[in-house]
Amino acid sequence: AQTVTQSQPEMSVQEAETVTLSCTYDTSESDYYLFWYKQPPSRQMILVIRQEAYKQQNATENRFSVNFQKAAKSFSLKISDSQLGDAAMYFCAYRIGNTPLVFGKGTRLSVIA
Amino acid sequence: DVKVTQSSRYLVKRTGEKVFLECVQDMDHENMFWYRQDPGLGLRLIYFSYDVKMKEKGDIPEGYSVSREKKERFSLILESASTNQTSMYLCASSPTDEHNSPLHFGNGTRLTVT
Repeated sequence: AQTVTQSQPEMSVQEAETVTLSCTYDTSESDYYLFWYKQPPSRQMILVIRQEAYKQQNATENRFSVNFQKAAKSFSLKISDSQLGDAAMYFCAYRIGNTPLVFGKGTRLSVIA
Repeated sequence: DVKVTQSSRYLVKRTGEKVFLECVQDMDHENMFWYRQDPGLGLRLIYFSYDVKMKEKGDIPEGYSVSREKKERFSLILESASTNQTSMYLCASSPTDEHNSPLHFGNGTRLTVT
């Protein structure tokens, strides 16, 4: 079965500091897509960043960036200059072709003022 | 912007009731999905659909069924609600021809079965 592992159920970070959330996945495919979603208390799932596996360059979106290590099947999310609004559940997910997304169990991030 | 609307934000039902969770999207997406979210378990796929009248079982379909009579609407049905179906239910949609497209989610329905 295809799986996504987020080994940190909870993390905390001081405001303005940097935090990295880890994610590993298991697939035998070579072409797939990776995503990080954020779910604040409002429950709305918000796309943070995405990465195509065939692209070697790591994706970045403002304060959010990923470290994509294809051989290691690792897709970590780095949040720089953390803000109070970054506090949320973060889910890592991947997708092969048009199949449904497979999600990890999530990491709850707290931001300390 | 894509809008995915779930008909109820909170729902309380009794054991044994038949429950309908409705989801509507306005972007003409072919794909629609129902996930269940529980603490410590992440999002688990219940059912999905690639087109009208089509449905596929996900990882945890037991106790659920779905209906997709129109492209924009995907309903999740609990034939006889049980307390272990108390959960958050998330509907999502995506286009078929953009594999790097993220899922677009509704706001979720928190269902309590008593």
